[in-house]
Amino acid sequence: NAGVTQTPKFQVLKTGQSMTLQCAQDMNHEYMSWYRQDPGMGLRLIHYSVGAGITDQGEVPNGYNVSRSTTEDFPLRLLSAAPSQTSVYFCASTPVAGGRNEQFFGPGTRLTVL
Amino acid sequence: EDKVVQSPLSLVVHEGDTVTLNCSYEVTNFRSLLWYKQEKKAPTFLFMLTSSGIEKKSGRLSSILDKKELSSILNITATQTGDSAIYLCAVEAWTNAGKSTFGDGTTLTVKP
Repeated sequence: NAGVTQTPKFQVLKTGQSMTLQCAQDMNHEYMSWYRQDPGMGLRLIHYSVGAGITDQGEVPNGYNVSRSTTEDFPLRLLSAAPSQTSVYFCASTPVAGGRNEQFFGPGTRLTVL
Repeated sequence: EDKVVQSPLSLVVHEGDTVTLNCSYEVTNFRSLLWYKQEKKAPTFLFMLTSSGIEKKSGRLSSILDKKELSSILNITATQTGDSAIYLCAVEAWTNAGKSTFGDGTTLTVKP
């Protein structure tokens, strides 16, 4: 199993550009989430999904869109990048089955918006 | 809105010391509290505590959930330099399945 994979690892954007951060998991986990982590801070939830076709907003959803057409994939779209979106982005998945709800994290994408 | 507060924000100790990290929370319809360790990469899972499982231990690490005080502690005994990391606490509610709320973390530095 590859676990949770994210691409790209690094990205530099100019203000106003759009892009999609890719996330995939091969563990058949039901739940998936996107977080951002700024220096000195914990993880803040952007969007999450409890299954294919179902998404919901987290704490900091503005400026981001998500969709979940399959169990495996959960892409995050930045609509019009702003310097305030400079951060490290983590995707995570959660098994749920068997009462487990620990999250498995991808390696992260470091995004810089100029 | 769910809330998690961790203390201290940072801590510097020497190898062999014992440390206690704190996590307090406010959450409606509490389901679980989770501890993660984050080195220079993605967080990795340490423990999950629930109303039916309030103590966990793995080697030199242990954690306890205090349901009355709405808090948890993470203890690390005989610290090693490899314990240097950010320790994150998160909570989940039954009514918001799949949605975790994280604290800002405690940065632990263990000096040789």
